[in-house]
Amino acid sequence: GENVEQHPSTLSVQEGDSAVIKCTYSDSASNYFPWYKQELGKGPQLIIDIRSNVGEKKDQRIAVTLNKTAKHFSLHITETQPEDSAVYFCAASIGFGNEKLTFGTGTRLTIIP
Amino acid sequence: DAGVIQSPRHEVTEMGQEVTLRCKPISGHNSLFWYRQTMMRGLELLIYFNNNVPIDDSGMPEDRFSAKMPNASFSTLKIQPSEPRDSAVYFCASSLPGLRETQYFGPGTRLLVL
Repeated sequence: GENVEQHPSTLSVQEGDSAVIKCTYSDSASNYFPWYKQELGKGPQLIIDIRSNVGEKKDQRIAVTLNKTAKHFSLHITETQPEDSAVYFCAASIGFGNEKLTFGTGTRLTIIP
Repeated sequence: DAGVIQSPRHEVTEMGQEVTLRCKPISGHNSLFWYRQTMMRGLELLIYFNNNVPIDDSGMPEDRFSAKMPNASFSTLKIQPSEPRDSAVYFCASSLPGLRETQYFGPGTRLLVL
């Protein structure tokens, strides 16, 4: 089955700087890659996703890049703010009706004021 | 718009007792997923339904766990009998037809079995 590895497990960034979280996946058939943000005591919130026919997607301060050849994808957060502090999870799925998501182990991001 | 609704939000019970967790998916969503989150194992998919039918229950840890979806707007996850190792946060998620992999999570139920 699919295996998703996520790094780093913890990340501290000065407010205003950029943060990058990386994930690798094992199943070359995977073609849907969402990112979730989980705040303390809450459920994971979908913040951005990308499909394999796209190399990069951006939504305001958040961007995701995908390298299918290398089987890795990354989350980029620019101009970080205190409210960006949370645990971030990547996931992978074959998509197109195959519903199962395989999650990474999470990155705890702390923004230092 | 209302998101996924779960109840109760917190549950404390004693070992051996029956526990029932409830979920109402987002209106119009026809896929529903039950996940468990622990520090040791992360987010694990337990079971999911399409159009109220269980599709894959390979993640259900053992026969003590069961899940039902009697209609499009309600699902339950039952643990009987409960054990301390079942302590975790249980999430329900739902998704739209044709975009089943794009899942929206509820706030979770934090379960503590003493």
